[in-house]
Amino acid sequence: DTGVSQDPRHKITKRGQNVTFRCDPISEHNRLYWYRQTLGQGPEFLTYFQNEAQLEKSRLLSDRFSAERPKGSFSTLEIQRTEQGDSAMYLCASSPPNLKGYGYTFGSGTRLTVV
Amino acid sequence: AQKVTQAQTEISVVEKEDVTLDCVYETRDTTYYLFWYKQPPSGELVFLIRRNSFDEQNEISGRYSWNFQKSTSSFNFTITASQVVDSAVYFCALTNNNAGNMLTFGGGTRLMVKP
Repeated sequence: DTGVSQDPRHKITKRGQNVTFRCDPISEHNRLYWYRQTLGQGPEFLTYFQNEAQLEKSRLLSDRFSAERPKGSFSTLEIQRTEQGDSAMYLCASSPPNLKGYGYTFGSGTRLTVV
Repeated sequence: AQKVTQAQTEISVVEKEDVTLDCVYETRDTTYYLFWYKQPPSGELVFLIRRNSFDEQNEISGRYSWNFQKSTSSFNFTITASQVVDSAVYFCALTNNNAGNMLTFGGGTRLMVKP
């Protein structure tokens, strides 16, 4: 297993367009997380899946954001009607079933620039 | 609510100097986990260490060492004999024992090691 993969690495979009990012976690990890990191800040939690169930959503996740994990494997994060404030690095992470404080494995992120 | 504070936003040292990165946390939970991650320019968050709240033993791994003190709610990270390759942004993070185990990150410390 090569770790957590995110696609694309970079995305430039015009304001108002929709974008979708994909995350492929480590295969045996049933937990999947999305975080957002703006320039000069630490990552902020967006949402969390256990298998295909979305169990937690941050208030940062406005109604323009939607995340899915249809078969409990890969996940997608869609942003509709993008705004300049959405420009950030979107990080995906996965962890094994019995977390109990184990470190996550993070992907390299998708850097979104809204122009 | 949980909070992680990294008061040093940027540190610059000359190669071979020792450097300590500070981390102070706040949580009401008695069981929690602390982490340090390294984020090189490539963007991926690299796991360095995990420490649970019941284990205050300090840890050393090569040139890295960590000092966990519950009395002061601190989890400081020291790099001995720094090298240029240590240049990165370092994040301290915290999670409790709740089901989701979402991470709360500090704002990060950018370490620049000059030759």
